Amino acid sequence: EAGVAQSPRYKIIEKRQSVAFWCNPISGHATLYWYQQILGQGPKLLIQFQNNGVVDDSQLPKDRFSAERLKGVDSTLKIQPAKLEDSAVYLCASSSDRSSPLHFGNGTRLTVT
Amino acid sequence: AQSVSQHNHHVILSEAASLELGCNYSYGGTVNLFWYVQYPGQHLQLLLKYFSGDPLVKGIKGFEAEFIKSKFSFNLRKPSVQWSDTAEYFCAVNARGNTGKLIFGQGTTLQVKP
Repeated sequence: EAGVAQSPRYKIIEKRQSVAFWCNPISGHATLYWYQQILGQGPKLLIQFQNNGVVDDSQLPKDRFSAERLKGVDSTLKIQPAKLEDSAVYLCASSSDRSSPLHFGNGTRLTVT
Repeated sequence: AQSVSQHNHHVILSEAASLELGCNYSYGGTVNLFWYVQYPGQHLQLLLKYFSGDPLVKGIKGFEAEFIKSKFSFNLRKPSVQWSDTAEYFCAVNARGNTGKLIFGQGTTLQVKP
């Protein structure tokens, strides 16, 4: 089966600019996750969708981060405006349901200068 | 709040050496436990998982892990590592019956010398 697709792979922006990441989960997977992985740390959940509804966004900095999952398939994560501390790898993952293991994409490495 | 602690940040071994990576979690309820691996340049992949039953679980590539409930631990082991095991290893936990949200440890970088 095709894996989780993410784009772009790399992005460099200046602070206060905006950026968007795209994720296409595995076909048929109802649950989609966005994780942030800062260098030297484990991934941290930003937001979880079940179909096109938000299940958990408790750790999403909502003053600058937003995410949507149109039609319960693709998802975009946006940062506006970016800060230096947003430099990280942004991982998208999907699973067929909440109790199934997650399948991860390759991630987008964001550098904010 | 749930948390996961991995004891070793960076491990260096020679080929054929035995491996044990420590993982402890903090949560009062019933959990599902996972080990994920990230090979250089690749995405995170599931190595093995524990949901219930036999506390000794076997995963891919000869890895195994043992769940010790009394110690809140889920250590990863391999009797004889290979150069191709060089990767970053993450322990993760989610609360059973919860949203499926995974809490990850900070990761352990394993370097195997040929």
